[in-house]
Amino acid sequence: EDQVTQSPEALRLQEGESSSLNCSYTVSGLRGLFWYRQDPGKGPEFLFTLYSAGEEKEKERLKATLTKKESFLHITAPKPEDSATYLCAVLSGNTGKLIFGQGTTLQVKP
Amino acid sequence: DAGVIQSPRHEVTEMGQEVTLRCKPISGHNSLFWYRQTMMRGLELLIYFNNNVPIDDSGMPEDRFSAKMPNASFSTLKIQPSEPRDSAVYFCASSFPTRRDTIYFGEGSWLTVV
Repeated sequence: EDQVTQSPEALRLQEGESSSLNCSYTVSGLRGLFWYRQDPGKGPEFLFTLYSAGEEKEKERLKATLTKKESFLHITAPKPEDSATYLCAVLSGNTGKLIFGQGTTLQVKP
Repeated sequence: DAGVIQSPRHEVTEMGQEVTLRCKPISGHNSLFWYRQTMMRGLELLIYFNNNVPIDDSGMPEDRFSAKMPNASFSTLKIQPSEPRDSAVYFCASSFPTRRDTIYFGEGSWLTVV
């Protein structure tokens, strides 16, 4: 069964304190691994898609990496505006379903 | 680009009433997904369409839920009759299924059934 597990559930950082969020997955025929950011009262905002192990993508202070079993979202020198829930999802090439993890809620304090 | 457009943004209805949620996908996208988000269960896939055809509706919780996509620019999710446990945020998302999939979400419809 396709499954996505994110850790930690919640993370509190001081401004400038770098850290990583984890996304572990099992999927039948990975077609893509997605990272989204979700702010309260908003829909998920697309950040990255990763397709194969070893691939990396960067956007401002965020960097996503992918292995055969997990993905990491590295946050370098975060700012308070990076506070949000970060969602990981996998798209199965066999079923066509996009399955989400429960998310990591990040709070960055000034 | 206008993005994925959902309506209504907020709805409060009484138990037993029919609820219809609407979605306009991004122009040119031919895959459409309906999700439900709650604190307890996170984002759950309800149903998805390719080229207006329902591909997998195994996530639809009960027969009270139905979804249609009469054309490439419009989809509905209907709940009849509604129950308090249906209270959630319902998201619509769309994509163009090439090798470089990018799936975009609407702002959601916040449903409260009292």
